Amino acid sequence: KAGVTQTPRYLIKTRGQQVTLSCSPISGHRSVSWYQQTPGQGLQFLFEYFSETQRNKGNFPGRFSGRQFSNSRSEMNVSTLELGDSALYLCASSLDGSRSGNTIYFGEGSWLTVV
Amino acid sequence: SQQGEEDPQALSIQEGENATMNCSYKTSINNLQWYRQNSGRGLVHLILIRSNEREKHSGRLRVTLDTSKKSSSLLITASRAADTASYFCATPLSSGSARQLTFGSGTQLTVLP
Repeated sequence: KAGVTQTPRYLIKTRGQQVTLSCSPISGHRSVSWYQQTPGQGLQFLFEYFSETQRNKGNFPGRFSGRQFSNSRSEMNVSTLELGDSALYLCASSLDGSRSGNTIYFGEGSWLTVV
Repeated sequence: SQQGEEDPQALSIQEGENATMNCSYKTSINNLQWYRQNSGRGLVHLILIRSNEREKHSGRLRVTLDTSKKSSSLLITASRAADTASYFCATPLSSGSARQLTFGSGTQLTVLP
């Protein structure tokens, strides 16, 4: 079974531009979450989608947005990029994310560098 | 806000030795997960332990959970150079969903050959 797939793996953008990152969850998983990892702030939750609906959102500005498609694939978008947005963006998927606790699997991440 | 905190922040051991990492969290949880991250890579899931479990094993890994002390430990036995990585514990955010995880700052483990 394929794992969580994220594309692109590496990208460089200029301040003010926008970027779209893509994530394909494990087959059969309906919950997709996004996290940002930086040396200074560590791993921080961005948002979570389930059945095309955003169910939770972390404490990030509105420049960060996402969506989920009917096949559970997800994209996140960052508009008006700032230098501080340089980070590893991780996508995670789980079966249905019930409160009983399903294992949450992560992808390899997308490295974003803003110059 | 961070729910879990790992201790120590860095650990250096010789190959073959055991490595123990600890995690403390603040609020009641229904499960706790441990992950490994090699430099520049994604998170690899190691073990999920539920609140009604006290200990869980997977190969050379042993995880314990003490809900009364709000703490967990990860033991890696007979460590190898390939175990060199950062290790994180993750817990569900109490006011959010089970799918919203909070992470500590991690333990950087270095296994010397």
